[in-house]
Amino acid sequence: NAGVTQTPKFRVLKTGQSMTLLCAQDMNHEYMYWYRQDPGMGLRLIHYSVGEGTTAKGEVPDGYNVSRLKKQNFLLGLESAAPSQTSVYFCASSYVAGEFPDEQFFGPGTRLTVL
Amino acid sequence: GIQVEQSPPDLILQEGANSTLRCNFSDSVNNLQWFHQNPWGQLINLFYIPSGTKQNGRLSATTVATERYSLLYISSSQTTDSGVYFCAVEWVAGTALIFGKGTTLSVSS
Repeated sequence: NAGVTQTPKFRVLKTGQSMTLLCAQDMNHEYMYWYRQDPGMGLRLIHYSVGEGTTAKGEVPDGYNVSRLKKQNFLLGLESAAPSQTSVYFCASSYVAGEFPDEQFFGPGTRLTVL
Repeated sequence: GIQVEQSPPDLILQEGANSTLRCNFSDSVNNLQWFHQNPWGQLINLFYIPSGTKQNGRLSATTVATERYSLLYISSSQTTDSGVYFCAVEWVAGTALIFGKGTTLSVSS
């Protein structure tokens, strides 16, 4: 049981390049999330998904797109990277206890630098 | 939106000391979690505690939902306790967590 895994762990991009971050979970969780963490701050939500085939915007969605084609995977895309997207990206997932999601479990993070 | 405030922002302790970290939130919440982010950046779940008290070894947490605060107690601190402690709340049911800015703890031997 690997929990939540993220690929890659590190990446350096040039301004204007594109890339996709992959999040995978093997806990059969319904909900999945992408957050970013900037220096000295807590995490902020980018996008989330309440189930396969669904996505929704979070607090800071601009410049990112997501897809949830399979229940266990949640992809975060940057179409044209900007220096302001330099950050550490965390993926999380949660199960549904009753009607709403429960405790969230986090991946190890992806450190992205945009030059 | 909801405000999540953590105090103190920084804390320096000698090994063996006890400490209390506080999290205040400005509105009713559905869920509350405490995390430890270690020096390598990994986020570790400590407690899922929307109300009541829980204990796990040297750590314990109490959430008083009616008064909108939560406390994290660390007893007999160790150098491995160093890092940033985050409180995060789920404000609207079914949405993501809202994080505080964290408390940075440094424990020296």
